[in-house]
Formats: sequence, C-alpha cells, structure tokens
Amino acid sequence: KAGVTQTPRYLIKTRGQQVTLSCSPISGHRSVSWYQQTPGQGLQFLFEYFSETQRNKGNFPGRFSGRQFSNSRSEMNVSTLELGDSALYLCASSPGTVYTGELFFGEGSRLTVL
Amino acid sequence: GDSVTQMEGPVTLSEEAFLTINCTYTATGYPSLFWYVQYPGEGLQLLLKATKADDKGSNKGFEATYRKETTSFHLEKGSVQVSDSAVYFCALSDRRNSGAGSYQLTFGKGTKLSVIP
Repeated sequence: KAGVTQTPRYLIKTRGQQVTLSCSPISGHRSVSWYQQTPGQGLQFLFEYFSETQRNKGNFPGRFSGRQFSNSRSEMNVSTLELGDSALYLCASSPGTVYTGELFFGEGSRLTVL
Repeated sequence: GDSVTQMEGPVTLSEEAFLTINCTYTATGYPSLFWYVQYPGEGLQLLLKATKADDKGSNKGFEATYRKETTSFHLEKGSVQVSDSAVYFCALSDRRNSGAGSYQLTFGKGTKLSVIP
C-alpha cells in the first residue's frame, strides 16, 4: 500500500510570492490534515479536510488555505510569503470516518523563504 | 487549551542504555496519548498509543503508561540501539473536541535521541 505522498519535497521562494503544496493520501483515506513544523514552534496543526470540506482549522492567518478534491488529494496554499513561513509542511491522512487515533504522515515539503 | 510538555533534548546515550523521555500533558477533556517518532529525512510515524487511563502502549521495545493522576505519558526502553536514533514526539488528541473520525493532534516540541555505539 503506497504511503502519503507530498510534492514538491523542497522548494525555495522569495518574500511576497505564493506557494502551493500537494498531498496524495493513502488509498481509501478520506481525511487529510496539514501541519507546520518549525524548530521554534514545533508541530502546529493547520487544518483538516474530509470529503472536500474543511472540518477543523488551527490558529493560522488567512494567508494559509487549503482544499481537497473528490479523489481525496489535497493542496495547501500560502500567499504573500513571509520569512517566518519557512518550515517543513507535513501532510497526514487517516480514514476519517472512525476514530483510530493514528495519523499517517508524508515526508513533508520543505519550504525556504528568502 | 490542550498542551504537551516533553523533556528538552538532545539526549545522547550509549547503546544498550536505558531510555526515559518525560512527557506531561494538560487537557480538559479525555485525551488519547501518543508517541510518534521521526527518523532522519522521514515523516512522523506512530510508535505507540494509549486511549484511557492506566493503558500501556508498547511497540518495538518501547513502552509508555497513561497516568491520569500525574498527567504523564513517559516513554521508556530498556536497551536502546543505534537504530533508535530519531526525534520522538509526545502528542495528544482530545476526542471531546472532535467529531466522528475527526481529530487534531497537539504535539510536544520533540526530543532528539542519539545513540552511540
């Protein structure tokens, strides 16, 4: 069974630009969550999507947005990039219909903002 | 709000040494507790979990017991190996704030473990 796939793995942007990150969940998983990982703040929850609807949202500004497609693939977008947005962005999937307590993480997309 | 506090790293141990990584939590509901591990260059993966008080989670020689009275979930292993070198994250999810199948994890800052031969 293929795991969670995130693309691109690495990218460099400059301040003010925008970026789109992609996540393909494990086959059959309908929930996709996004987390931001930084050395200072650790892992912070961004949002969760289920059946193309945002089900939960963390405490991030509106520059951070996401969406989910009918095949459960998800994208997140960060607009007007700031230096502080440099981070590892992790996507995680789960079945989404029953509580299992386990998230399956991808390897992440490492964003560097210059 | 919910929070997780785990011991600061890095932790360096010799092979076959005993490992303890402390984790305490604050939650107003009835959380499930987890330890996730992140090996270099990889995403996080679940190491073990416990869903109610006094439950013991175990996997790959690692153990942690859900202690409600001390709000703790310390990770232990009797004899570490070089291959255990990784970053370990304690986390909780509070089902009280979640709908069916929906939950978000609150993570500790992570503890980097290095095991030397």
